[in-house]
Amino acid sequence: GAGVSQSPRYKVAKRGQDVALRCDPISGHVSLFWYQQALGQGPEFLTYFQNEAQLDKSGLPSDRFFAERPEGSVSTLKIQRTQQEDSAVYLCASSLPRRDRSYEQYFGPGTRLTVT
Amino acid sequence: AQKITQTQPGMFVQEKEAVTLDCTYDTSDPSYGLFWYKQPSSGEMIFLIYQGSYDQQNATEGRYSLNFQKARKSANLVISASQLGDSAMYFCAMRISGGYNKLIFGAGTRLAVHP
Repeated sequence: GAGVSQSPRYKVAKRGQDVALRCDPISGHVSLFWYQQALGQGPEFLTYFQNEAQLDKSGLPSDRFFAERPEGSVSTLKIQRTQQEDSAVYLCASSLPRRDRSYEQYFGPGTRLTVT
Repeated sequence: AQKITQTQPGMFVQEKEAVTLDCTYDTSDPSYGLFWYKQPSSGEMIFLIYQGSYDQQNATEGRYSLNFQKARKSANLVISASQLGDSAMYFCAMRISGGYNKLIFGAGTRLAVHP
């Protein structure tokens, strides 16, 4: 069955370039999360969508980070004027609003961003 | 503050033996959930087991069990009969009910299973 997919899997950007990372959630999943995972660390929450509404963007580290989900399915995380500290793996996860009480999140394989 | 602490950066275990990975948490929210995820070198986070704060019994999923001690705020993962394929990073995470169910992760524990 189709899980969460992300593209590209790897991205190398020169400092100052803009990048766009794509997430295709599991069909029918209402909730979508973006996390940032720095090398050797656990993932950290960036932002949350319920359908097309961005309900929580408290984890976005700066105004260079922007996320959208215009039709309530595919989401794009955009980083403008990339900096070296943006180098990380960006994970996308989706979930149904309620499943077995756990609200289990299904993760994609991530996009590894390297800023040189 | 809501926080997950994993104090073991690395652990190793002999194949077929059991291993316990430690996790402590801090929250004032009475309703929360605790997860363990496995992250192999491929990078994908694989769900292992879940424990709700109101669950009376410890969760079990095959070879995985969660030793939930609410008063001590600990949620240790026990892997029985370790296999070589269990070698990976393991993350403990907490779901906060008031935060749109986002997850807060610990720093992880790298498990190495030796033959």
